[in-house]
Amino acid sequence: DAGVTQSPTHLIKTRGQQVTLRCSPKSGHDTVSWYQQALGQGPQFIFQYYEEEERQRGNFPDRFSGHQFPNYSSELNVNALLLGDSALYLCASSLVSRERGTGELFFGEGSRLTVL
Amino acid sequence: AQSVTQLDSHVSVSEGTPVLLRCNYSSSYSPSLFWYVQHPNKGLQLLLKYTSAATLVKGINGFEAEFKKSETSFHLTKPSAHMSDAAEYFCVFDRGSTLGRLYFGRGTQLTVWP
Repeated sequence: DAGVTQSPTHLIKTRGQQVTLRCSPKSGHDTVSWYQQALGQGPQFIFQYYEEEERQRGNFPDRFSGHQFPNYSSELNVNALLLGDSALYLCASSLVSRERGTGELFFGEGSRLTVL
Repeated sequence: AQSVTQLDSHVSVSEGTPVLLRCNYSSSYSPSLFWYVQHPNKGLQLLLKYTSAATLVKGINGFEAEFKKSETSFHLTKPSAHMSDAAEYFCVFDRGSTLGRLYFGRGTQLTVWP
């Protein structure tokens, strides 16, 4: 059973460019959350997708957008890249149930973005 | 505002000695609290979670944490450190909304000396 998979693992972009990161959730999971982890910091919540809609959003500008597909996979898009967007981007998946709400989050290994 | 504070950015111990990683929380109600571990170039892994069922929570790899409401603390401990425990540890809380959103502390880097 594959866990959460993310691609690409590393990438380098220049300021002003756009980037798309991809995430496949753990088998059986229906919810995908994205987190940004800057160097030396704890991860910060970007947004969460459930039933192909953005359900929650953290304190990130509109340059950060996302999408969830019918197969539950997800993309994170960042436009007009800034140097400060350099970070490890983590995807986490979970399964929502009426009884327990959101179950345990399983994290991928992340996509490390460097903006030059 | 609800938050967690990890009191140490770095902790160093010798192999075989106890580990203590400190975390205080701030919340107007009993939150769900977690400890996650992040090994280099690896994803975050859940060590343990507190959800009000029991104040002493046992996790994987011999770790445990005790929820102390009077001290607003949720410290992570292990009786005997192993070299493989060297990693970044995060204290995390969840406000308990139906669709979970995690709030991470800044992390504690654990170094284990041989």
